[in-house]
Amino acid sequence: AQSVAQPEDQVNVAEGNPLTVKCTYSVSGNPYLFWYVQYPNRGLQFLLKYITGDNLVKGSYGFEAEFNKSQTSFHLKKPSALVSDSALYFCAVRDIQSGAGSYQLTFGKGTKLSVIP
Amino acid sequence: DADVTQTPRNRITKTGKRIMLECSQTKGHDRMYWYRQDPGLGLQLIYYSFDVKDINKGEISDGYSVSRQAQAKFSLSLESAIPNQTALYFCATSGGGAWNEQFFGPGTRLTVL
Repeated sequence: AQSVAQPEDQVNVAEGNPLTVKCTYSVSGNPYLFWYVQYPNRGLQFLLKYITGDNLVKGSYGFEAEFNKSQTSFHLKKPSALVSDSALYFCAVRDIQSGAGSYQLTFGKGTKLSVIP
Repeated sequence: DADVTQTPRNRITKTGKRIMLECSQTKGHDRMYWYRQDPGLGLQLIYYSFDVKDINKGEISDGYSVSRQAQAKFSLSLESAIPNQTALYFCATSGGGAWNEQFFGPGTRLTVL
């Protein structure tokens, strides 16, 4: 079975400060990991993913995430937060060795990011 | 994402009514998905389809059915709507390979009274 946890329902950060949105996962094999963002009244938009290789992944809008296998984490980061980054962020995982169900993504419950001017 | 469209965007209906939500995509993807989003619960997979002849149940398929009319079209039906099916419904598509990200439609907000 695969699962993902986002331990913070809400993260508040001042504009210009660095931000981190946390994600931990559990899989029986190796993971594919994804981050999505949802703006109000919109669908989810893909930000970045980890497949293999370099543990630091860069994505859209200046976001990056670091894959840490020993801590089973994939935290989303940005060096300098913008008010426009305020949104709902979802981490998702897929176990690449789960066989027939391997195309199913499991999503976390989401973290609401508020960037304060 | 304009490549994935959903109709209607909002729908209010009554308990017991049959409802169909429609999804179309122009991305040329074989794989399509229906999710349900409830506040604080993230997204839950209802059904997914790898091609026109392949349909699979997800985590929460009870009370729902789907139809894959063509590569580009995937419809979700609520045979007899009930109030706890009030939610935001998303369609998504992806290319081949488990490493590919999914592309989401704008969502349908369904309210069952």
